[in-house]
Amino acid sequence: SQQGEEDPQALSIQEGENATMNCSYKTSINNLQWYRQNSGRGLVHLILIRSNEREKHSGRLRVTLDTSKKSSSLLITASRAADTASYFCATGLTQGGSEKLVFGKGTKLTVNP
Amino acid sequence: DAGITQSPRHKVTETGTPVTLRCHQTENHRYMYWYRQDPGHGLRLIHYSYGVKDTDKGEVSDGYSVSRSKTEDFLLTLESATSSQTSVYFCAIRGHGFNQPQHFGDGTRLSIL
Repeated sequence: SQQGEEDPQALSIQEGENATMNCSYKTSINNLQWYRQNSGRGLVHLILIRSNEREKHSGRLRVTLDTSKKSSSLLITASRAADTASYFCATGLTQGGSEKLVFGKGTKLTVNP
Repeated sequence: DAGITQSPRHKVTETGTPVTLRCHQTENHRYMYWYRQDPGHGLRLIHYSYGVKDTDKGEVSDGYSVSRSKTEDFLLTLESATSSQTSVYFCAIRGHGFNQPQHFGDGTRLSIL
């Protein structure tokens, strides 16, 4: 089963509203990362939060991490039509002496103008 | 954008033929990764490299081989393509050390008929 599971699978909101996506995982992690993917493109790194951090901000993005609950959330404030994309969480794990990412299946966000 | 180029961007081929996908980077990063992305599965790691001639398997490595003879190039080969390998393939790179984000290419859409 997936290490990271996003919730919800799909989210549709109006421009200007906030969007919250959640990610749950199963094992101890080095970090948790969020990526965005526009249709037909590669993934773009948004934010990385380390296992000893609880909250991180980047522009309109706010990420929280609760290692006791093995969960993270991504909040996009004042959403825009251009935020329409799929969002993936990925857990950074140490395996075999190097760090690998395990991705969830993603949340498809639609922001309606 | 990180300097990552995947080629070809699209390919259609027949079952049983060999296929090689190329990932080229200009960032001199040590780590390179090949993923496949399929509906309902998110991104899954096929193989990765932690240096020239140093590679290891990911979670879905069966039917794939890789080579890295230069820092900048990471090749993914399907020795005898099958229809189950129809997918979108992404290359990613990462700098040295832990807690570093990965940077992705724009993908190769491979169809095996």
